Amino acid sequence: DAKTTQPPSMDCAEGRAANLPCNHSTISGNEYVYWYRQIHSQGPQYIIHGLKNNETNEMASLIITEDRKSSTLILPHATLRDTAVYYCIVRVEDSSYKLIFGSGTRLLVRP
Amino acid sequence: GAVVSQHPSRVICKSGTSVKIECRSLDFQATTMFWYRQFPKQSLMLMATSNEGSKATYEQGVEKDKFLINHASLTLSTLTVTSAHPEDSSFYICSARAGGDITAFFGQGTRLTVV
Repeated sequence: DAKTTQPPSMDCAEGRAANLPCNHSTISGNEYVYWYRQIHSQGPQYIIHGLKNNETNEMASLIITEDRKSSTLILPHATLRDTAVYYCIVRVEDSSYKLIFGSGTRLLVRP
Repeated sequence: GAVVSQHPSRVICKSGTSVKIECRSLDFQATTMFWYRQFPKQSLMLMATSNEGSKATYEQGVEKDKFLINHASLTLSTLTVTSAHPEDSSFYICSARAGGDITAFFGQGTRLTVV
């Protein structure tokens, strides 16, 4: 699976958009980009995933560059409850379906 | 999203005893379940993958005789930490995936403390 690189920490103001970047320059054509987040002392929560096209759901938007070497998770109106560690994971769609977690980005939403 | 439930959420056990953690998929049939452990201030580390009715596949460095995984039904997987020691104290998290679905959902985690 391709390696991902994320900034260790970020912060944003409550009510503003939070844009979390992820680099995955070695991604291959059949690898999906997944985003999960983990709020302290809880299990990870699925946010969104995509392959080539940009995706949007009720939680966030995922913007994938045309060359697929990087992506950005956008929380359009961050709240204090969005404070968490955000993990960007690239995974091959093979029979294992394993998710290998990196170190993620610790997002702090400030009042 | 789908609901995955772990039990117990917290457990304290004595050194040398065994402890079982349950992971249930409440509203879907989980073809594949995964077990992770997480130490403080660290990321999740995948321990093993189990498919219903098959033996679990363990990641390199994970002792299969110490961490027994059973996935006997499509809604239940168990992780038994045998002969627990204080260094086994950790946050254990399961996730589950339905057949035909590429997304995995996670339980709330179990904090194990071995004293």
